[in-house]
Amino acid sequence: DTEVTQTPKHLVMGMTNKKSLKCEQHMGHRAMYWYKQKAKKPPELMFVYSYEKLSINESVPSRFSPECPNSSLLNLHLHALQPEDSALYLCASSLRGGTQYFGPGTRLTVL
Amino acid sequence: AQTVTQSQPEMSVQEAETVTLSCTYDTSESDYYLFWYKQPPSRQMILVIRQEAYKQQNATENRFSVNFQKAAKSFSLKISDSQLGDAAMYFCAYRSGRNYGGSQGNLIFGKGTKLSVKP
Repeated sequence: DTEVTQTPKHLVMGMTNKKSLKCEQHMGHRAMYWYKQKAKKPPELMFVYSYEKLSINESVPSRFSPECPNSSLLNLHLHALQPEDSALYLCASSLRGGTQYFGPGTRLTVL
Repeated sequence: AQTVTQSQPEMSVQEAETVTLSCTYDTSESDYYLFWYKQPPSRQMILVIRQEAYKQQNATENRFSVNFQKAAKSFSLKISDSQLGDAAMYFCAYRSGRNYGGSQGNLIFGKGTKLSVKP
């Protein structure tokens, strides 16, 4: 089983809202990733968690706040986003440094 | 720094025919992994095939196979007996075999090739 789940599938929010994206995997993977993908572009890495510790932050604005409560769960907290933050947000997981398996993504629209 | 280049923004193939998608990469490393991911309009990124650089044998997964030319730094994907469900964006990706500090298997993607399949 190589399933990564993400909720919600779609999210529309205003610039003053606070919302969260959720990602879950039960494959025993200890590395989890957040990517941002704009239309017709490859995914761009945002954050990497390894053994529940943030190991990479690719200079992402502070209005995006990741959280890894346990080895199976990864959240992305959103606050005061801008319209240009509208994108597909993908979560992925892997055994440490191994093949990454992606979730179906959350389509975010910021009004 | 490593780079991945996909020189074909769009490709088209007739159903049941064979198509080859190109990918080249640049690296000074000897230990690395290469991947092809497929992203259909449903948007989920799906692993198609993986190749370890230390393996000379080309990877194969059913109708999908790669032509891995390590010296030429080329990693093309061949899709045989194309099906309508193969229509998608295909991304070639590179991952270093080493961990650089906090780097945990980060993927470097090409820009993608959009494949259309004609009935």
